[in-house]
Amino acid sequence: GQNIDQPTEMTATEGAIVQINCTYQTSGFNGLFWYQQHAGEAPTFLSYNVLDGLEEKGRFSSFLSRSKGYSYLLLKELQMKDSASYLCAVRSGYSTLTFGKGTMLLVSP
Amino acid sequence: GAVVSQHPSWVICKSGTSVKIECRSLDFQATTMFWYRQFPKQSLMLMATSNEGSKATYEQGVEKDKFLINHASLTLSTLTVTSAHPEDSSFYICSARVRLAQGSYNEQFFGPGTRLTVL
Repeated sequence: GQNIDQPTEMTATEGAIVQINCTYQTSGFNGLFWYQQHAGEAPTFLSYNVLDGLEEKGRFSSFLSRSKGYSYLLLKELQMKDSASYLCAVRSGYSTLTFGKGTMLLVSP
Repeated sequence: GAVVSQHPSWVICKSGTSVKIECRSLDFQATTMFWYRQFPKQSLMLMATSNEGSKATYEQGVEKDKFLINHASLTLSTLTVTSAHPEDSSFYICSARVRLAQGSYNEQFFGPGTRLTVL
């Protein structure tokens, strides 16, 4: 099976930088995804990593270390609208995604 | 990105009735569709995976006779909650994946979700 662990909640202030960590254990690793989900809405895709290293996309960056089973999502220049749940999801082989429980991020003024 | 729609966006029904939820891929063909369920403050839990033209594969603990899934075409999958009970009240989200392509990470696209409340 797969085991995905991420913090339950985090808080940060507007304009700051926050890093959300995700650790996983899986066999046949075939990619790690980060999604953003606002309350009552479906998840929206943020990033994808399959090789080690950092992927940057605007204010969002995602890092992966396959040997450590570790990833993080970095959010810069935080805005109030970034308050949401951030889901780490792992793909094993060509099967579907397994989601972590999500990290609820609260951005305050 | 590709668009996935769901209908209805919310539904309230009486206990014992059946509810059908539609999931459509609007601008691409989805060979595989997934149905997830999400309870408040919980993560998405996969219920079943369906491939066009074949029977759905259900996750352990999900009753296939209660949650009927039909994937009749490459753009439409339906989930029918039969004899719904209050404990079935949840947020149901479908997801569609494009045909597997070499070199592609085969992103899953999510529908907007359907909020089901069973009284």
